[in-house]
Amino acid sequence: DVKVTQSSRYLVKRTGEKVFLECVQDMDHENMFWYRQDPGLGLRLIYFSYDVKMKEKGDIPEGYSVSREKKERFSLILESASTNQTSMYLCASRTGTSVGTQYFGPGTRLTVL
Amino acid sequence: AQSVTQLDSQVPVFEEAPVELRCNYSSSVSVYLFWYVQYPNQGLQLLLKYLSGSTLVESINGFEAEFNKSQTSFHLRKPSVHISDTAEYFCAVSERGGGFKTIFGAGTRLFVKA
Repeated sequence: DVKVTQSSRYLVKRTGEKVFLECVQDMDHENMFWYRQDPGLGLRLIYFSYDVKMKEKGDIPEGYSVSREKKERFSLILESASTNQTSMYLCASRTGTSVGTQYFGPGTRLTVL
Repeated sequence: AQSVTQLDSQVPVFEEAPVELRCNYSSSVSVYLFWYVQYPNQGLQLLLKYLSGSTLVESINGFEAEFNKSQTSFHLRKPSVHISDTAEYFCAVSERGGGFKTIFGAGTRLFVKA
């Protein structure tokens, strides 16, 4: 079974803090994704990575950055957290084609106070 | 550009009743279509997908969806729902022939009542 794990289920941070969200997959997938999920908006793509050290901006990259130093690990970084970044963050991985299924982690619910 | 519209944000239904969750998409190229399900406090998981061939696809737990190219729709149906089907359902589309992005709809929350 494919397993995608995220470092925290719940996280509370203060405005201005630097926040790291970690995601690890165990299926040797090339592609990895970070989404945020908000009620009524579905999933919106923040960043994706199609290989180690490769990344592309998604639809809402402002205020975020990412790092992929190893194939299995994809990190999302909030350089200076703001209250409008309070959300559910979902990580996913997929083989290297658009026909492939995305496998999701359980999500991290981030609250920024 | 691609887009996905899920026409109902919430669908309440009684147990053992049929249900249809509607999804329409727009795209200038051919697409792959997916339905994902998110149970409470979990990540999304694939329910079924249409890649090519027969326009009717089925899941292992009794859901089915039909790709209708002329109406650009991919509605999800189940003839008899269970309490355990209570979840949020997301329709998604990926572009054929390349590209990395999958576009997700806003989701439909299915409530199954006893």
